[in-house]
Amino acid sequence: QKEVEQNSGPLSVPEGAIASLNCTYSDRGSQSFFWYRQYSGKSPELIMSIYSNGDKEDGRFTAQLNKASQYVSLLIRDSQPSDSATYLCAVRASGAGSYQLTFGKGTKLSVIP
Amino acid sequence: DTAVSQTPKYLVTQMGNDKSIKCEQNLGHDTMYWYKQDSKKFLKIMFSYNNKELIINETVPNRFSPKSPDKAHLNLHINSLELGDSAVYFCASSQIAGRRSYEQYFGPGTRLTVT
Repeated sequence: QKEVEQNSGPLSVPEGAIASLNCTYSDRGSQSFFWYRQYSGKSPELIMSIYSNGDKEDGRFTAQLNKASQYVSLLIRDSQPSDSATYLCAVRASGAGSYQLTFGKGTKLSVIP
Repeated sequence: DTAVSQTPKYLVTQMGNDKSIKCEQNLGHDTMYWYKQDSKKFLKIMFSYNNKELIINETVPNRFSPKSPDKAHLNLHINSLELGDSAVYFCASSQIAGRRSYEQYFGPGTRLTVT
């Protein structure tokens, strides 16, 4: 059973701080990693994708991947109240024809003004 | 607007009924998916459909059946609805080749309530 684990939170950070969200996965051969943001009552929205070890930055967001440790994280710099949402980690497993994603249960982030 | 769309947005029905949810994407993607998100907000894959290859999550009851008239549409038909089917159902699509491969884009969701 391929699993993706996230701390459910809630994670509370003050406005302007760095929010750090973490995710571990069980399938060592996993190829692609994604972070989605889901506001209450809305659909998941893709905010970052990362495919190789290291850091990938996009605006205030940085995704970090360490395949040896089976760990992927999302950093949000200068957190804003509008960043308050549930963040879902998703992993694409290994194997030909495997285009399904396995989602973690999400971490609820609350940014306090 | 390029997007994934679903209809209806809300669906309230009684146990035992049969219902369908429609999904359309105009992103030119070649793969479509159905997800179920339960009351605990866990997002679980139900089906993926690519070039006529259907992958079914083993935990999905056979009362659920996807139907794809063409590459841009993947509808979900549910027979004999049960109380436990109440959830939000999301359609998504992706392209499995190219620069942004496997990135999935979600529709707005259909909130199904079975009474």
